[in-house]
Amino acid sequence: QKEVEQDPGPLSVPEGAIVSLNCTYSNSAFQYFMWYRQYSRKGPELLMYTYSSGNKEDGRFTAQVDKSSKYISLFIRDSQPSDSATYLCAMTIWRWTGGGADGLTFGKGTHLIIQP
Amino acid sequence: NAGVTQTPKFQVLKTGQSMTLQCAQDMNHEYMSWYRQDPGMGLRLIHYSVGAGITDQGEVPNGYNVSRSTTEDFPLRLLSAAPSQTSVYFCASSSRDRDIVTEAFFGQGTRLTVV
Repeated sequence: QKEVEQDPGPLSVPEGAIVSLNCTYSNSAFQYFMWYRQYSRKGPELLMYTYSSGNKEDGRFTAQVDKSSKYISLFIRDSQPSDSATYLCAMTIWRWTGGGADGLTFGKGTHLIIQP
Repeated sequence: NAGVTQTPKFQVLKTGQSMTLQCAQDMNHEYMSWYRQDPGMGLRLIHYSVGAGITDQGEVPNGYNVSRSTTEDFPLRLLSAAPSQTSVYFCASSSRDRDIVTEAFFGQGTRLTVV
């Protein structure tokens, strides 16, 4: 079982719709949660990060974390064709080794298509 | 402010050749890492560094070497290229909160083909 599960899609919605993107995870040690957007042939771009359970809003984007259910979501309001991209969730674990973190664990990404 | 700069953007290698992928960041981050991205596999961590002189292996380190002599630079070396190393490589630079990676900023990637 992968530590982070994310539906690859594609997810196709009409312009203006509310988009819901989701990830589930199995390791309760994950501490920070992030959402990245990746356009074709580009590097991932950080959209949002959060530590706490609950909601965090930034413009048209809302990140939601439910640590008890091991479930995170990204909502996009008033979706635009320019939102068409692959959305990656990512999370980090705190390793008590003294040597530092071992990097981010990513979902495989959901390909989102916003139809004009 | 350039952020994370990777060179080259594209590269074709023959099997057995070696090369170095360059990565530089100007955000004074201690934490840097290299990922590869393959279709259906997502992003996988190759190596990471928590500061100058300190490196460690990630999920898929075989066939790659890294070193970190300065805070700014974190090159990735392919020792003897194999077709299985055909991929898109991303360098990332991250802020830290204690020992937890928080925000990671990615370069634009190096698209490598090994023939």
